Amino acid sequence: GENVEQHPSTLSVQEGDSAVIKCTYSDSASNYFPWYKQELGKRPQLIIDIRSNVGEKKDQRIAVTLNKTAKHFSLHITETQPEDSAVYFCAPRGDDKIIFGKGTRLHILP
Amino acid sequence: NAGVTQTPKFRVLKTGQSMTLLCAQDMNHEYMYWYRQDPGMGLRLIHYSVGEGTTAKGEVPDGYNVSRLKKQNFLLGLESAAPSQTSVYFCASSEELAANTGELFFGEGSRLTVL
Repeated sequence: GENVEQHPSTLSVQEGDSAVIKCTYSDSASNYFPWYKQELGKRPQLIIDIRSNVGEKKDQRIAVTLNKTAKHFSLHITETQPEDSAVYFCAPRGDDKIIFGKGTRLHILP
Repeated sequence: NAGVTQTPKFRVLKTGQSMTLLCAQDMNHEYMYWYRQDPGMGLRLIHYSVGEGTTAKGEVPDGYNVSRLKKQNFLLGLESAAPSQTSVYFCASSEELAANTGELFFGEGSRLTVL
């Protein structure tokens, strides 16, 4: 982890469209790449993760892609629905100290 | 299983008062973490522990102390609370990264207001 940046900080998409959030990191020792979702007033919860020996992982409408050479990974949400409105955080992990990105607030527009 | 439990869930303090937040996990996790989250902000790491009897500083450790006397508990202390410490505090735990997963499991959060 160490320096972790997320882009964009806010994202608005029309319901049914796709959303992509990118996370870049500086620690080359990172080997676990999760995405957490935090709904308003709730605790963060893991929605998808990937390890460094895999380039892509998909779970229904969500997917994560990893480019370890470029030190970034992305969250992809397809066919967005109102319940996807939340804040999403990345937290790449290579050792004990887990640093989170600043988050991306996703708004799904009707 | 209760998972990760934080107490108290809400607390109001006056400037200069002290308090302790307790985090308890029943998943036999080695790693435990304390984060703070300010309105509209991300999660910032305060302190963490990689096992019983160990603690380490995170991104924003000043004004806080921690202890991990038992594997299942991780205490966060504020010796002299300041208004800047008004925040929601989250505790989290995980297995070692070498295990099947590195997922963090969070408590429900503790909302602290310092007047």
